[in-house]
This record gives sequence, structure tokens and C-alpha cells, in this order.
Amino acid sequence: QSVLTQPPSASGTPGQRVTISCSGSTSNIGSKTVNWYQQFPGTAPKVLIYGSNQRPSGVPDRFSGSKSGTSASLAISGLQSEDEADYFCSAWDDSLNGWVFGGGTKLTVL
Amino acid sequence: QITLKESGPTLVKPTQTLTLTCTFSGFSLSTSGVGMGWVRQPPGKALEWLALTYWDDDKRYSPSLKNRLTITKDTSKNQVLLTMTNMDPADTATYYCAVLYSSSWYEYFHHWGQGTLVTVSS
Repeated sequence: QSVLTQPPSASGTPGQRVTISCSGSTSNIGSKTVNWYQQFPGTAPKVLIYGSNQRPSGVPDRFSGSKSGTSASLAISGLQSEDEADYFCSAWDDSLNGWVFGGGTKLTVL
Repeated sequence: QITLKESGPTLVKPTQTLTLTCTFSGFSLSTSGVGMGWVRQPPGKALEWLALTYWDDDKRYSPSLKNRLTITKDTSKNQVLLTMTNMDPADTATYYCAVLYSSSWYEYFHHWGQGTLVTVSS
């Protein structure tokens, strides 16, 4: 059971906007920034969003992150077939004194 | 260009001790704000953070695994080692090392190794 809660799956058609939620608590998302990682099958995770809403260079601006209270969201606009991947949220947890991850959301582009 | 590569045994027996090495280039683990962590992922499952060492030698461990884990760094060799004792089939996973960037406002793993699959079986 992951400390951060994500829906196991999400889907959308090309061009659509999709959001993936990540729910935590006051000891993690409520007091720390959130990071999002994208992972394709058989490959290592790659940072997509850091600091809750910052994009590393090279990440398209179709990807955006937000945070409110103890929840965070990843939004993907103009959905493309190559966005089909697993997405994980993560944050530092002050109570556990360590990093926690969500269970991951498998995004399917229909 | 930052590169990281994990190495170690691909198969270990139950109760044995696992030692993994992460060899990196393109940055220094002596630089303020830099850390190196280990994260694992059982087949088809979620990511799980294991351990972290910072540039100042501060170390953190997953509370559920801290009694079994040791993380050490050799700055001169550009390596970080992870030791996990008393391996169990439930520890079968792909193990990743990742570079942590730390600032006043945020921290995140910004580069990851390719991962190494470790299977625990007799």
C-alpha cells in the first residue's frame, strides 16, 4: 500500500487533456513539493515535473503540475500516443523521514 | 553529461547479502546539494525508495528496511554502494540508483541509472 494514492489507470484520446491525481497527507504533499516521474516499459523513470510545477528543460509544456493542500495533479494537454506510459508522484515525508511514491498510474492513449 | 550505472549480482539466494554498486560520472558527490539514492521496483509494481546519502555524508534509510540497509559512498571512485542483508524472494526487483538535486525549495531525482534486475531465489 503506497503512502501516496494515485488512480491505477487513466486514458484519453489524442488531443485531449488528461489529469492524474496524487493524494497524500500533511507530512508529505501538505508540506513538501511534489515530483512526477514518467516511465516507459523496461526503462528507468524520468523526471517530468519537480517542485510541484517546474518542468526540466526538454519536457514539453504540454505537461504541467499543480498542488493544493494535500493533493497534487499532473495535467497532460494535447495528448499524444507517445505519452502512453506509467506516471508516479513522489514527495519527501517528514514523519517517515524518507521519500514516498504513489502506486503509479498507467496512462493509455485510446 | 551525467551517467549512472548499477552493477552487482543478478541472482542471490535467500538469506544472502546483496551488494550493489552505482558508478557515476558527470558530477561530484562532494558538491553541496547533491545526493545519491537507491530506489527499487518489483516487477509490475510501484517504485520504493530505499536509501539516500548526501554530499555532507548525511544518510537516510527507508524506515521499513533500515535494519537491513547500508549506503556508503566513495567519492574518489565516483561510486555509491548499497548493501542489503538477509535477502528474501520479496526483494526481487529492479534496483535503480539516482542523483538527487537538493535546493532550498525542492529536491528531486534528476538522473537515473538504467537499473539492474536482482532475483532472489534458491
